[in-house]
Amino acid sequence: DAGVIQSPRHEVTEMGQEVTLRCKLISGHNSLFWYRQTMMRGLELLIYFNNNVPIDDSGMPEDRFSAKMPNASFSTLKIQPSEPRDSAVYFCASRPRGVYYGYTFGSGTRLTVV
Amino acid sequence: QKEVEQNSGPLSVPEGAIASLNCTYSDRGSQSFFWYRQYSGKSPELIMSIYSNGDKEDGRFTAQLNKASQYVSLLIRDSQPSDSATYLCAVMSGDNDYKLSFGAGTTVTVRA
Repeated sequence: DAGVIQSPRHEVTEMGQEVTLRCKLISGHNSLFWYRQTMMRGLELLIYFNNNVPIDDSGMPEDRFSAKMPNASFSTLKIQPSEPRDSAVYFCASRPRGVYYGYTFGSGTRLTVV
Repeated sequence: QKEVEQNSGPLSVPEGAIASLNCTYSDRGSQSFFWYRQYSGKSPELIMSIYSNGDKEDGRFTAQLNKASQYVSLLIRDSQPSDSATYLCAVMSGDNDYKLSFGAGTTVTVRA
């Protein structure tokens, strides 16, 4: 089991540029979560999917953020245009069906917008 | 609003001592409870899960749950320097949406 795989590990971009973060779920998991972590705000849930369907995107900070899950194993989080305040570590996590399972997190993408 | 509160840190304990971490939650319908460990610069790692009132032991870790008091705790016995990390309490709601609510975390430092 390769775990949840995120890419890139680090991203440095200039303000105004488009950023795309990628996530591959663990095989057999059917829920996918995107989180953002900063020192000030801790872990914030941005959006989550069940069976490829977005269930709750109330945590997405602005229209500049969008997420897709084109198939059962892959998701992207896009920021366009990026701003310095978007600098954070972005994690995706997945879990299998059932109430008694926690999340498995990917290794994260550290995003720096200059 | 569903909230998860953890005792404020940082918590510093000597090597070999017991570290005690506390967590309270507001959603009485919560069903599943988890403890994650996060080393600096790394992702959260699931170390304990508990669903029923009482204690659950796994090696040097013991999770305790009291649903009536809406309280979860984690004990780390015989603390080692490698236990130095931030510990996150997470609670899954009872309304079938499978969302985890995380506490802000407690940073533990084990002094050699």
